[in-house]
Amino acid sequence: EADIYQTPRYLVIGTGKKITLECSQTMGHDKMYWYQQDPGMELHLIHYSYGVNSTEKGDLSSESTVSRIRTEHFPLTLESARPSHTSQYLCASSETPVQGWGDTQYFGPGTRLTVL
Amino acid sequence: AQKITQTQPGMFVQEKEAVTLDCTYDTSDQSYGLFWYKQPSSGEMIFLIYQGSYDEQNATEGRYSLNFQKARKSANLVISASQLGDSAMYFCAMSALYGGATNKLIFGTGTLLAVQP
Repeated sequence: EADIYQTPRYLVIGTGKKITLECSQTMGHDKMYWYQQDPGMELHLIHYSYGVNSTEKGDLSSESTVSRIRTEHFPLTLESARPSHTSQYLCASSETPVQGWGDTQYFGPGTRLTVL
Repeated sequence: AQKITQTQPGMFVQEKEAVTLDCTYDTSDQSYGLFWYKQPSSGEMIFLIYQGSYDEQNATEGRYSLNFQKARKSANLVISASQLGDSAMYFCAMSALYGGATNKLIFGTGTLLAVQP
């Protein structure tokens, strides 16, 4: 099981503020992901990374940006928060298997963002 | 395109009874993985069980088993001997496998399970 951390757990912020959601994992996993989830709804992938200096946009369009300068760290930034960004943001990581099939994504506890 | 369908928005089960949560999927990929996650009210996503498309045997993890029927494209989760702590939202998810590794996960809409004493 991966140790994956997200801070803050809860964030209430005003419109127009710049915010960064932190995600770190200690397992040395090469792949990391950000998902967005509205209450009671399914998760949607917004960003992913398959290694350092590699980032891609996911299926759901997002105004956020990400960076992957270190293997263990995958922060998500919103330059100007808006009420439409209110949601839960979940970070996950997994490791490309050396042999065999399939790798499991392990999730952090999530950040619940509310933009007023 | 991949799609996961969970047709049960909510379910009730009596404590100590077994319950089956339905999941059907659609994909054109030959190699894929199927996952079940549990999300309690606290919000974290807890991995429960994995089934690869080439696995001939159904996956089992403790009280969880995955009833994999490839021809029907179904991957139902069976929880035996339900406990009060099993009350949560359950998500089925899938990922194509490229070179054996998973890609991004596609999630279903979830099933809210309530275990009654």
